[in-house]
Amino acid sequence: KAGVTQTPRYLIKTRGQQVTLSCSPISGHRSVSWYQQTPGQGLQFLFEYFSETQRNKGNFPGRFSGRQFSNSRSEMNVSTLELGDSALYLCASSFIGGIYGYTFGSGTRLTVV
Amino acid sequence: AQSVTQLGSHVSVSEGALVLLRCNYSSSVPPYLFWYVQYPNQGLQLLLKYTTGATLVKGINGFEAEFKKSETSFHLTKPSAHMSDAAEYFCAVSDPDNNNDMRFGAGTRLTVKP
Repeated sequence: KAGVTQTPRYLIKTRGQQVTLSCSPISGHRSVSWYQQTPGQGLQFLFEYFSETQRNKGNFPGRFSGRQFSNSRSEMNVSTLELGDSALYLCASSFIGGIYGYTFGSGTRLTVV
Repeated sequence: AQSVTQLGSHVSVSEGALVLLRCNYSSSVPPYLFWYVQYPNQGLQLLLKYTTGATLVKGINGFEAEFKKSETSFHLTKPSAHMSDAAEYFCAVSDPDNNNDMRFGAGTRLTVKP
């Protein structure tokens, strides 16, 4: 079966712009979580969506937002980009949440210049 | 909230040597524990998981981990390292106080010397 698909794989944006990242989970998975990975901070939890509802949110500013559609696909948006937003953004899907483990996508590498 | 601590940000072993990556968890309830591996410019791949039952868990690529409640540990081992094992390894815990979201350790980078 198809894995978790994240698009685009690479992205270069300018400070102040906004960006939208997309994640298509494994078919049948209803939970989608987003993580930001940087060399200095490691893997930080952004938010989790389950059946179109945000169930949990990490400690990120309001510039970071997300949503989930009825087909479980999810998008995350970052507005007013800052240099510090440069990171690998990882999406992970699961059937009901992290209890059985996640399947990760390959990530979107965002560079803010 | 539950958390995990990985001891050692870098571990270096020779090819054929034992691999031991350390992870300790903090939890007031029986945890669900995981090990993931990440190769450069890729996402994380699940190596193994402990939920309930047998405390010695076998995973992919010859890795295994033992859940030790008395030591609050979940160390990852492999008897004989291979060059292809060079990667970053993450220990994680599923947090029931936060809808079972996954909380990750800081990661351990494994280097395998020829």
